[in-house]
Amino acid sequence: EAGVVQSPRYKIIEKKQPVAFWCNPISGHNTLYWYRQNLGQGPELLIRYENEEAVDDSQLPKDRFSAERLKGVDSTLKIQPAELGDSAVYLCASSLLYEQYFGPGTRLTVT
Amino acid sequence: AQSVTQLGSHVSVSEGALVLLRCNYSSSVPPYLFWYVQYPNQGLQLLLKYTTGATLVKGINGFEAEFKKSETSFHLTKPSAHMSDAAEYFCAVSAGGSNYKLTFGKGTLLTVNP
Repeated sequence: EAGVVQSPRYKIIEKKQPVAFWCNPISGHNTLYWYRQNLGQGPELLIRYENEEAVDDSQLPKDRFSAERLKGVDSTLKIQPAELGDSAVYLCASSLLYEQYFGPGTRLTVT
Repeated sequence: AQSVTQLGSHVSVSEGALVLLRCNYSSSVPPYLFWYVQYPNQGLQLLLKYTTGATLVKGINGFEAEFKKSETSFHLTKPSAHMSDAAEYFCAVSAGGSNYKLTFGKGTLLTVNP
């Protein structure tokens, strides 16, 4: 069974530029999560989807971050414009119930 | 609201020695508890979980953890460390049931010396 797939794995951009991350969850997993992991910290939830519906986006900085999950499968997380403080690893996870499976993450560096 | 405290940001052991990584949690409802491992440049892999039932849970790679409600703890142990155990370990808590939101600790970096 394929795991959670994320791309790109690494991204370097200049501040004020836009960036997008893509996630393909495990087949059949209705719940999809985006986390941000800062250096030396544990992951922090940005947004959670149940199928196509964003059911928890309270931690998503909505002035510059947006996300979508069309057709309840793949998801895209976008930042526009990026700031220096957005440098982090962005993790996608999916679950059928409470056990979450994580992808390898996208390491974003904003210069 | 839930929170997790991992005591010790860095633990160093010798190969073959006992591994003990400490985790204390705070939860207003019966928690679900998890330990994840993260190798460099990789995502998180679930080691073990506690939901209900037996308080001593066994996971992959010889790890186990015991849920102690009275101490609000969920410490991770392994009797004999192996070089391949060197990684970052995260404890996490959720409110359980249909609430899937995980709150993670800051992590403990485990170093295994030959």
